[in-house]
Amino acid sequence: NAGVTQTPKFQVLKTGQSMTLQCAQDMNHEYMSWYRQDPGMGLRLIHYSVGAGITDQGEVPNGYNVSRSTTEDFPLRLLSAAPSQTSVYFCASRTKDNQPQHFGDGTRLSIL
Amino acid sequence: RKEVEQDPGPFNVPEGATVAFNCTYSNSASQSFFWYRQDCRKEPKLLMSVYSSGNEDGRFTAQLNRASQYISLLIRDSKLSDSATYLCVVNWGGYQKVTFGTGTKLQVIP
Repeated sequence: NAGVTQTPKFQVLKTGQSMTLQCAQDMNHEYMSWYRQDPGMGLRLIHYSVGAGITDQGEVPNGYNVSRSTTEDFPLRLLSAAPSQTSVYFCASRTKDNQPQHFGDGTRLSIL
Repeated sequence: RKEVEQDPGPFNVPEGATVAFNCTYSNSASQSFFWYRQDCRKEPKLLMSVYSSGNEDGRFTAQLNRASQYISLLIRDSKLSDSATYLCVVNWGGYQKVTFGTGTKLQVIP
């Protein structure tokens, strides 16, 4: 049972570098999202998608881009990494509004 | 007032004890509620949904009090394996309207 798969699990970047965090789900969920989790703070929504070709900004979108070309995949791109983006990133999916979300096991990202 | 508030704890309880957590929310239009469990440095995992009539799953009972705007989680006969952080989630519509609490840490001690 794959569920939501994130890669890589760990990554260290230098300031200014770019990279893409991958997220794929095999549950045919329409809704996908990216969150970041920082110590002492709840999960904060970065970007989300309610279907292929549709994306929107969440609470903390600056410095990140997303695209949703297929139902299964929802990659998150860091355009020019900054130390403030050091965090744990979780991808999640769900069937529709008011349903619980299913999370990937996270990407731990450090920006030096 | 924060949209969703939880006591961060930690709650240190002996094995076999009963422990309860509350989570208060500010938006009276909230529609759905969940409890998640998060182990250290792992992803949140759905523990249970919270229904208006209250619901139980084994040793876990969830309650919703709309009048006072809080949800609760009761854990009976605590096990060492229950040690984790418990997140409440409040949802009043689309993605922009989902709020995670910062979590309550539970430590069950032998």
